[in-house]
Amino acid sequence: EPEVTQTPSHQVTQMGQEVILRCVPISNHLYFYWYRQILGQKVEFLVSFYNNEISEKSEIFDDQFSVERPDGSNFTLKIRSTKLEDSAMYFCASGGTQAYFGAGTRLSVL
Amino acid sequence: KNEVEQSPQNLTAQEGEFITINCSYSVGISALHWLQQHPGGGIVSLFMLSSGKKKHGRLIATINIQEKHSSLHITASHPRDSAVYICAATKTSYDKVIFGPGTSLSVIP
Repeated sequence: EPEVTQTPSHQVTQMGQEVILRCVPISNHLYFYWYRQILGQKVEFLVSFYNNEISEKSEIFDDQFSVERPDGSNFTLKIRSTKLEDSAMYFCASGGTQAYFGAGTRLSVL
Repeated sequence: KNEVEQSPQNLTAQEGEFITINCSYSVGISALHWLQQHPGGGIVSLFMLSSGKKKHGRLIATINIQEKHSSLHITASHPRDSAVYICAATKTSYDKVIFGPGTSLSVIP
């Protein structure tokens, strides 16, 4: 069974620091997504990425966030100058009609 | 207004009971997804369907396109079924997934 891999599983950072969340999508997939789930809330869409560029982003995905596919296998989400309210579970997904989700990275901003 | 709604929000059942979770959506979709999220947070895809009915083990998912409604049924529920069940939709192929609020299920021995 193919799977989407996310690292780290838990990231703790100080407010104002930059974090990079990493994802390895399924190898033959072309569409990639990041989602966020604040504790106790529903999962929200952040951004979709196709053909090495952002295809859609939500209003949450402001200038603090960026995505990159640096080497053809990894897909990263960078959060600059983290805030307390960025604490959440971040999910990567790949695919398209069938979405495959990673196990998530729990980000804790202190 | 949420594009994907679920009911109930919380559900407690005795082991062995038949469970139904309902989902309604207000937009045109290409696919409806049922997902499972255990404590600890990982999301597992259970079903993706665009019409009719699908079955996997004790889980059954149905969809009525005309009524914009889907149901997830669990037969002979077991404590290991305790999790949050999420209904989600994609409007077009390769589109983002729109998540419902989830139904928290607790199955008591």
